[in-house]
Amino acid sequence: GESVGLHLPTLSVQEGDNSIINCAYSNSASDYFIWYKQESGKGPQFIIDIRSNMDKRQGQRVTVLLNKTVKHLSLQIAATQPGDSAVYFCAEKVGGSYIPTFGRGTSLIVHP
Amino acid sequence: EAGVTQFPSHSVIEKGQTVTLRCDPISGHDNLYWYRRVMGKEIKFLLHFVKESKQDESGMPNNRFLAERTGGTYSTLKVQPAELEDSGVYFCASSPLGGASGYTFGSGTRLTVV
Repeated sequence: GESVGLHLPTLSVQEGDNSIINCAYSNSASDYFIWYKQESGKGPQFIIDIRSNMDKRQGQRVTVLLNKTVKHLSLQIAATQPGDSAVYFCAEKVGGSYIPTFGRGTSLIVHP
Repeated sequence: EAGVTQFPSHSVIEKGQTVTLRCDPISGHDNLYWYRRVMGKEIKFLLHFVKESKQDESGMPNNRFLAERTGGTYSTLKVQPAELEDSGVYFCASSPLGGASGYTFGSGTRLTVV
């Protein structure tokens, strides 16, 4: 069977609850951060981004928090719905680079 | 507007065989990127084209991988000969020139080498 290392971190929530997905990034020089959602059979889809001169940014039902002191990023999803079930990736980017560095991903499972 | 299209969606090949993946970016997007995700791990960068030129191929794992983008439109990624560790999902993305934040990903090609 698969080794434990191949399993994604998983967050299971009930429909209607709030979800918080966490990400530790690696490069203190990173100044742009992005959250992507990947549903089964699809490619990663942009959700929300934040620049390093901000510590919070809100979208529709989603909020991204950035703590540069501890190099931590979080994605909060309000009133989680079954359609939010997916793998969520954080990504970081430095300056004018075109290439974001992705994290490992967190699987969000929403139970009806 | 059509999105980023990848073909095939799935491919199962034997070790030692050759496979060619294709990516059609969004029309007018000069930047084209290839990424790979091995099961349960992060999405890793392979290479970046600007039009037909390779801007950055630092993520290409070895010389069994060859990417081309003749004419600056669609791109192909050939793996020859394929090894078991090449299995994973290969994603293509495109963005407009100067649009480092405007990535659009394709649905990926799931490659299984047996």
